[in-house]
Amino acid sequence: DAGVTQSPTHLIKTRGQQVTLRCSPKSGHDTVSWYQQALGQGPQFIFQYYEEEERQRGNFPDRFSGHQFPNYSSELNVNALLLGDSALYLCASSPEPGQGAHEQYFGPGTRLTVT
Amino acid sequence: AQSVSQHNHHVILSEAASLELGCNYSYGGTVNLFWYVQYPGQHLQLLLKYFSGDPLVKGIKGFEAEFIKSKFSFNLRKPSVQWSDTAEYFCAVNAGPGGSYIPTFGRGTSLIVHP
Repeated sequence: DAGVTQSPTHLIKTRGQQVTLRCSPKSGHDTVSWYQQALGQGPQFIFQYYEEEERQRGNFPDRFSGHQFPNYSSELNVNALLLGDSALYLCASSPEPGQGAHEQYFGPGTRLTVT
Repeated sequence: AQSVSQHNHHVILSEAASLELGCNYSYGGTVNLFWYVQYPGQHLQLLLKYFSGDPLVKGIKGFEAEFIKSKFSFNLRKPSVQWSDTAEYFCAVNAGPGGSYIPTFGRGTSLIVHP
């Protein structure tokens, strides 16, 4: 049973560029959440997708956008990259949103470095 | 907005010592509480969770946590740690409906257990 997978593992981009990160949820899960984890900090919630719609959003600017596909996989897009966007980006899946009551299964993350 | 505080950022213990990691949150309504662990080189994974009922929750690997509503706390405990408990520990809160079930993580506690 495959867990949550993310690609790519590492990415280096230049300021002002755009980036797309990808996530496949754990088998049987239909809800995907994205987090940003800066060095030495806990994961910070970006947004959550369910039924191909953004259901919840954290305190992130519109430069951060996402998409969920019919097969429940998801993409995170970040436009106009800033140095401060350098972080580990985590994807997590759960079996439906469940009003926050479900545990989340995390992927290994994508390490984004903006130079 | 809800917040989560983990008081101990770095903890160093010897094997067989007892462990207690503090976690306090700021939201006064209904909460779902979690402790996640990240072992070196591995994904974030769930240790234990509290939704309702018995405030003393038991998780994997001998860990437990106690929800004290009056203190807004959800401290993690283990009577006797092992070298294999060396990891990063994160407390997380999912508050709602006023908190809109947006997950909030603490900044984490790095635990090192010496053999």
